[in-house]
Amino acid sequence: EVQLLESGGGLVQPGESLRLSCAASGFTFSTYAMSWVRQAPGEGLEWVSSISGSGGTTYYVDSVKGRFTISRDNSKNTLHLQMNSLRAEDTAVYYCGKDQTWKEPHYLDYWGQGTLVTVSS
Amino acid sequence: DIVMTQSPDSLAVSLGERATINCKSSRSVFYSSNNKNYLAWYQHKPGQPPKLLIYWASTRESGVPDRFSGSGSGTDFTLTISSLQAEDVAVYYCQQYFNTPQTFGQGTKVEIK
Repeated sequence: EVQLLESGGGLVQPGESLRLSCAASGFTFSTYAMSWVRQAPGEGLEWVSSISGSGGTTYYVDSVKGRFTISRDNSKNTLHLQMNSLRAEDTAVYYCGKDQTWKEPHYLDYWGQGTLVTVSS
Repeated sequence: DIVMTQSPDSLAVSLGERATINCKSSRSVFYSSNNKNYLAWYQHKPGQPPKLLIYWASTRESGVPDRFSGSGSGTDFTLTISSLQAEDVAVYYCQQYFNTPQTFGQGTKVEIK
């Protein structure tokens, strides 16, 4: 059974950093691209970032480029999102998702339960 | 960026009746080299993660009831729930994965009339 478990969310002040993690199990982690998708309070879904199965190719939405870094540790079946210079508009539930392909992000067939990030002074 | 626009924003349908959600992309998401539309549909219930319903515009995900169907090509797509059940109350999103940034529609809230 595929399981994705996010952790690392919390309350931080503007300008601070946070590192999200997603522990994966139930599938061969290194053979699938992975993604982060967020949902701000009262808003819809927004794709944030994706990474290929090898970790060699990464993709970002413009609003987080230069501030967020996606990475993965295939030896530990774990996905990460390092979030720096956080802004109030980054407040959201962050979901990790398993992609259906190895390289370019496509659709997500499994999602974690999400972790809440709140950026507020 | 490809903009995805869903209509309506919300709809109320009687139990057992048909629900239809439309999704329009600002550019075609059809890739002629493999004859596929890069379009997915998700169901999102409060307190739960989104659930994949449809991919490649019309392929139903394993385990999804056959009352859910997807159609369309190019820039215009439709998700149809043929006979609405109580458990189908949710927000539905279309998503294009033709290129990055992947983009979602704003969502359509489906309720029982």
